[in-house]
Amino acid sequence: AIQMTQSPPSFSASIGDTVTITCRASQGISNNLAWYQQKPGKAPTLLVYAASSLQSAIPSRFSGGGVGTDFTLTITSLQSDDFASYFCQQYYSSPYSFGQGTNLDI
Amino acid sequence: QVQLQESGPGLVKPSETLSLICSVSGAFITNKIHHWGWIRQTPRKRLEWLGSLTSDGTSYITPSLEGRITLSADTSKNQLSLKLTSVTAADTAVYYCARHIDQRRVLFDVWGQGTVVTVSP
Repeated sequence: AIQMTQSPPSFSASIGDTVTITCRASQGISNNLAWYQQKPGKAPTLLVYAASSLQSAIPSRFSGGGVGTDFTLTITSLQSDDFASYFCQQYYSSPYSFGQGTNLDI
Repeated sequence: QVQLQESGPGLVKPSETLSLICSVSGAFITNKIHHWGWIRQTPRKRLEWLGSLTSDGTSYITPSLEGRITLSADTSKNQLSLKLTSVTAADTAVYYCARHIDQRRVLFDVWGQGTVVTVSP
């Protein structure tokens, strides 16, 4: 099974900052990676798929990158609405696995 | 727009069978564009894909739950169903149903709000 490791587990930032979250796969997954945002008590929301494709209606301050085993999610000009948890997910092979999450705090 | 809503018993006793329903509106579960998945989130916030169902009713399950989990659909009600046998405390989680972005890729673009399941005597 492919293990997904996110870093950092938690992160403190300020409004207006640019932050980058990292996700590493235990083996190569090409670009078969998605990023989700989750707010307390809510379901995850898809942000990015195919490593760098922005889901419709997601603001352009979110961007994804990477291929193979190392991936990033970058949020520029942080807004108050962005303080949430973020998860990566590989869909290269079953079992389709998620990272453990990164909590972004103000 | 497409909406999914999970429902379930809330509390299940150890060794019993958990049964959940996902009601889908705004799309037919028989459409050939999407598959439908189940994901759970543990109290420690870990997300785990459980399995998915194709538009023709074929299921594919995460290996760790093979033999315990059954996925099915009631097309007359446009509902998905999950049954998990022999539950233990480790099955305590929020259970989500979600739509695959398309039939080729197992990632999820529409989620239900989730239903909390606690396994306890």
